Amino acid sequence: GAVVSQHPSRVICKSGTSVKIECRSLDFQATTMFWYRQFPKQSLMLMATSNEGSKATYEQGVEKDKFLINHASLTLSTLTVTSAHPEDSSFYICSAGDRGKYEQYFGPGTRLTVT
Amino acid sequence: DAKTTQPPSMDCAEGRAANLPCNHSTISGNEYVYWYRQIHSQGPQYIIHGLKNNETNEMASLIITEDRKSSTLILPHATLRDTAVYYCIVTGGGATNKLIFGTGTLLAVQP
Repeated sequence: GAVVSQHPSRVICKSGTSVKIECRSLDFQATTMFWYRQFPKQSLMLMATSNEGSKATYEQGVEKDKFLINHASLTLSTLTVTSAHPEDSSFYICSAGDRGKYEQYFGPGTRLTVT
Repeated sequence: DAKTTQPPSMDCAEGRAANLPCNHSTISGNEYVYWYRQIHSQGPQYIIHGLKNNETNEMASLIITEDRKSSTLILPHATLRDTAVYYCIVTGGGATNKLIFGTGTLLAVQP
């Protein structure tokens, strides 16, 4: 199947700093990308939908000013966690889909730890 | 999107078929049934999807009841590597539709 990568795979940052996570579709063009957050022993929670060239659509309860999403090209979307706090520590996962296809492909995830 | 109900956990012996049920009684006519799985600490993996007819691919089979209110994912010969959380999701067809994950079923394949 198609490949989606995420970088970094793990990051530790200090409280108050910002962290950028990249999501890339390596062998296909992703018109739409999605960002999820997953806390330990819980399911994936959709944070936002990112369409190339337009503003992201955030799910209810997700602060758009805290979680900045940029989908500047058909192969790259970035999630920036601004002014991170320990409660933002989580597993962040992206997925990508292409118009005309049926399945989404997920990245391997980024584990963020805020100290 | 329609809500799904799955058992929280199931066990299966290695080499035997694993049958994972899913109820989606509020599914609407244009919604598909998708199955993804997540192995511990990895991103989810697409398995299979269907609308009305039963489907089979190299990973699994999907059986959808005639009224479409429930479905069963079948892994024909489960291996230890199939131990994962399996998610049944109902959504519009197409890779650009958002997926709302429920709690899924933790399938534990036993040696």
